[in-house]
Amino acid sequence: EAGVTQFPSHSVIEKGQTVTLRCDPISGHDNLYWYRRVMGKEIKFLLHFVKESKQDESGMPNNRFLAERTGGTYSTLKVQPAELEDSGVYFCASSQDTRPNTEAFFGQGTRLTVV
Amino acid sequence: ELKVEQNPLFLSMQEGKNYTIYCNYSTTSDRLYWYRQDPGKSLESLFVLLSNGAVKQEGRLMASLDTKARLSTLHITAAVHDLSATYFCAVDRRSGGSNYKLTFGKGTLLTVNP
Repeated sequence: EAGVTQFPSHSVIEKGQTVTLRCDPISGHDNLYWYRRVMGKEIKFLLHFVKESKQDESGMPNNRFLAERTGGTYSTLKVQPAELEDSGVYFCASSQDTRPNTEAFFGQGTRLTVV
Repeated sequence: ELKVEQNPLFLSMQEGKNYTIYCNYSTTSDRLYWYRQDPGKSLESLFVLLSNGAVKQEGRLMASLDTKARLSTLHITAAVHDLSATYFCAVDRRSGGSNYKLTFGKGTLLTVNP
């Protein structure tokens, strides 16, 4: 069974440009999460989808970030316009159920570098 | 606000030695995870600790949880080079309704030297 996959694995863009990250969760997983790790800091929660609905977007840094999950399958995270402080590794995770049943499985992350 | 602190953040050890990574968290939670990450790879779940006093072991790694002290430990026994990786602890917390989200520590970069 395929795990959580993320595209691209690396992205280098200039400040002011737009980047779109994609996450394909494990098939059948209704819950999809985005997290981010800025260099040297903790991995921080960004938002949580249940199917196509945003359940919690309290971790989204600002309105330059837009996450979508049309149809409840894959998700995209768009950063527009990108700023230097957006650099980091963006992780996606999925789970079949929220607690208490299962844990979340993570993708390999997308390393975003804004120059 | 829930805070999770790991220490040490960097750990260089020799093969064959033992060491412990500590994870403290600031508010009540009863579910703690340990993850391993190799460079460029996904976070791999190592242990899920569900209750006070829980102890789990897999190979050279053993994790424990003390919910009263809000402390988890990851003990490494007779380290080998293959254990070199970054280790994260994470605590989950209700974010509303039946939804939960993970709060992570900064990670411990472990390097095992021959």
